[in-house]
Amino acid sequence: EIVMTQSPATLSVSPGERATLSCRASQSVSNNLAWYQQKPGQPPRLLIYYASTRVTGLPARFSGSGSGTEFTLTISSLQSEDFAVYYCQQYDYWPPWTFGQGTKVEIK
Amino acid sequence: EVQLVQSGGEVKKPGESLRISCQASGYNFATYWIGWVRQMSGKGLQWIGVIYPGDSDARYNPSFEGQVSLSVDRSIATAYLQWGSLRTSDTAIYYCARLSGSWEPPDFWGQGTLVSVSS
Repeated sequence: EIVMTQSPATLSVSPGERATLSCRASQSVSNNLAWYQQKPGQPPRLLIYYASTRVTGLPARFSGSGSGTEFTLTISSLQSEDFAVYYCQQYDYWPPWTFGQGTKVEIK
Repeated sequence: EVQLVQSGGEVKKPGESLRISCQASGYNFATYWIGWVRQMSGKGLQWIGVIYPGDSDARYNPSFEGQVSLSVDRSIATAYLQWGSLRTSDTAIYYCARLSGSWEPPDFWGQGTLVSVSS
């Protein structure tokens, strides 16, 4: 099983600032990496797939990068609606696909 | 509009059986994989398995194989997650989700079904 490790566990950021979230895979997953956002009481929401492709309608302030084992999600200027938990997930190897443990982005 | 609507929350006792559902609408149900994901209270996400409604081909996470089963009813565009004998450790929220393409991450999710197992 591929282990996905996210850092930091919690990120305290002021509105308007930049947030950088990291995700590391225990072995190469090529670019088969997705990012999700989850708010309390809601299902996850797909933001980015193939490491850097934004879903339709996602604001440009969200960007993904990386390949192999190291990936980054950047939110260039945090808005109030962006405070949530973010998960990375590899879909290169089944079984099973695996998620990271999540990074909580909270208001500083 | 694509929608996945899951059945309501359940309260069960250990050893009981359970089937929860996920009804799809707004697209051709038979041609998109459906996946199931578990989220234990305050914890992260785990894939349980995926199923292709077109031919009921089901693939399982080895951690869940033998504990749950996936099925579909194409006539009513509904996918199911079933337990034969629940454990307290099955207490969690369960999400169904439609994979966006052939073996790609899910783009639409159900609202989640809370399953609570307690004696």
